[in-house]
Amino acid sequence: KNQVEQSPQSLIILERKNCTLQCNYTVSPFSNLRWYKQDTGRGPVSLTIMTFSENTKSNGRYTATLDADTKQSSLHITASQLSDSASYICVVSVSGTYKYIFGTGTRLKVLA
Amino acid sequence: DADVTQTPRNRITKTGKRIMLECSQTKGHDRMYWYRQDPGLGLQLIYYSFDVKDINKGEISDGYSVSRQAQAKFSLSLESAIPNQTALYFCATSPGTGTGANVLTFGAGSRLTVL
Repeated sequence: KNQVEQSPQSLIILERKNCTLQCNYTVSPFSNLRWYKQDTGRGPVSLTIMTFSENTKSNGRYTATLDADTKQSSLHITASQLSDSASYICVVSVSGTYKYIFGTGTRLKVLA
Repeated sequence: DADVTQTPRNRITKTGKRIMLECSQTKGHDRMYWYRQDPGLGLQLIYYSFDVKDINKGEISDGYSVSRQAQAKFSLSLESAIPNQTALYFCATSPGTGTGANVLTFGAGSRLTVL
């Protein structure tokens, strides 16, 4: 069964601290993996995409990694800001299909 | 204006009532989707449409129906709402081809409460 699991479920950190969110997937055949940010009351917005051949990709203070062998991805947030408070959702696309497998998300709260 | 607009944003209704959630997009994308988000669960696909004449059931289509009135419009209907359909509903679009073919662009969501 295709699944995406994220950890931790929730996380509280202080402003300017770093944090890392984890995503483990069992999706086959794998096409790509995206991280989305979902602010409260809003729809998810794409942060970054990882394809099979990519190990690391950055988008400002967000850095995503992908280990296709272990089927793990991480999202590292550097020097967190209050505006980073949101849910972060890992989504894996199934190759050759319309299917997206969504994780349940990590709810991040950044405190001043 | 938002690329993907959903109306209403919030709706409270009673069991047995018919409800329609509407979605319109200015992205020019062919593919449109309706998802449901429940606490503690990943988004689940209700219906998807790859063009005006192509509509397909997703994982949890029972109790729902859709209409693709135009390339830019995709509506979701609950013919007879029940309490376990209380959830946050998202409309999304994707290009389907070219760069970013499977990037989903989401609307802001429609929160539905069925009493």
